[in-house]
Amino acid sequence: AQKITQTQPGMFVQEKEAVTLDCTYDTSDPSYGLFWYKQPSSGEMIFLIYQGSYDQQNATEGRYSLNFQKARKSANLVISASQLGDSAMYFCAVSNTGGFKTIFGAGTRLFVKA
Amino acid sequence: EAGVVQSPRYKIIEKKQPVAFWCNPISGHNTLYWYRQNLGQGPELLIRYENEEAVDDSQLPKDRFSAERLKGVDSTLKIQPAELGDSAVYLCASSYGQASLKIYEQYFGPGTRLTVT
Repeated sequence: AQKITQTQPGMFVQEKEAVTLDCTYDTSDPSYGLFWYKQPSSGEMIFLIYQGSYDQQNATEGRYSLNFQKARKSANLVISASQLGDSAMYFCAVSNTGGFKTIFGAGTRLFVKA
Repeated sequence: EAGVVQSPRYKIIEKKQPVAFWCNPISGHNTLYWYRQNLGQGPELLIRYENEEAVDDSQLPKDRFSAERLKGVDSTLKIQPAELGDSAVYLCASSYGQASLKIYEQYFGPGTRLTVT
């Protein structure tokens, strides 16, 4: 069985500062993928970043980077230089090989202060 | 490239009434997902299609929920009869199919917010 835990229901960050959103996962699959999605108030889930379990390097996409610590089963999202438009819900998800089963966490609401 | 399209965006019905949601995935995406997202929670998978075949419907409440994906493109999710607890956002997503062991990201539509009164 797969499980995602996001322990921060809400986070505040000052504009232009960096913020880390925590995510721990549990899966029995030897090969898996980790995703982060952003959900603004409009409701649409927006794909941000992907990390494969066998990828040696941490994934980066623009201002987003994923701090992947496999031994700790941790996949934290780091947002650098926060912008007001980053205020949203952020969901971490784990998917098994082939993407057949994707489990989402409960999410972290990020508030960016001007 | 057009994204995942869903309609309607909002629906308010009385309990025991039927309701249907429609989804048009991204062109070329073989896999289609329906999720339910309750308030304050992450999405939970209801059903997954590979082309026109429902390959995972283990979380679909089959006594009242049904889904179809005719011709492997558009999909419809139906609830009949609706209950108060069905109030949620219903999200449709699509991704490339299982052509390899690669794990593909899912692209989501805007969702349908259902309110059952």
